[in-house]
Amino acid sequence: ETGVTQTPRHLVMGMTNKKSLKCEQHLGHNAMYWYKQSAKKPLELMFVYSLEERVENNSVPSRFSPECPNSSHLFLHLHTLQPEDSALYLCASSLSVLAAYNEQFFGPGTRLTVL
Amino acid sequence: AQSVTQPDIHITVSEGASLELRCNYSYGATPYLFWYVQSPGQGLQLLLKYFSGDTLVQGIKGFEAEFKRSQSSFNLRKPSVHWSDAAEYFCAVEGRNTGKLIFGQGTTLQVKP
Repeated sequence: ETGVTQTPRHLVMGMTNKKSLKCEQHLGHNAMYWYKQSAKKPLELMFVYSLEERVENNSVPSRFSPECPNSSHLFLHLHTLQPEDSALYLCASSLSVLAAYNEQFFGPGTRLTVL
Repeated sequence: AQSVTQPDIHITVSEGASLELRCNYSYGATPYLFWYVQSPGQGLQLLLKYFSGDTLVQGIKGFEAEFKRSQSSFNLRKPSVHWSDAAEYFCAVEGRNTGKLIFGQGTTLQVKP
């Protein structure tokens, strides 16, 4: 595997379910990101991790819970979601959060539908 | 606050025609600027970036962009569009050393045969 991979690619869940999204980067990067992409809206940065520490939490509801066990893996744990949380969730990684090295590489995304 | 505006939601061009996608940003100093492309069902791919120096930057797939400080713009251009360029294009700005990308709403490019 190369680049940034995300699983699953598609997920349908009920509002009472608990599920997790997984992201893995094979680039040796130190920073990882979660974005939400909704129709007709700009990409929204949700979380930023640098060297496995969360450095940004962009006022995201607590029903979204990120986890970064090591610099290669990033999870987004989901519970009691709402239909408006249906979106494409994109993971990205970069060498560093420092701007000079912040070329971000994106995964293909997980298309989430909340019923 | 930093912001990015892409005035054109949807653009249609004929194959072989030239293309210009507009991007305006709001930021107090010179930002880092990026253009990304997203094909259907795919993640975002970096086309090009501007950090400093020459204001005309070359990217992949024959794209270029010009940074104009006086106009707070970073427009993307391509002299001859190919059908495979049909995709969504995103302009993004990053405040220096914030680690955060702020994206515009995107421009959907349709290419007519």
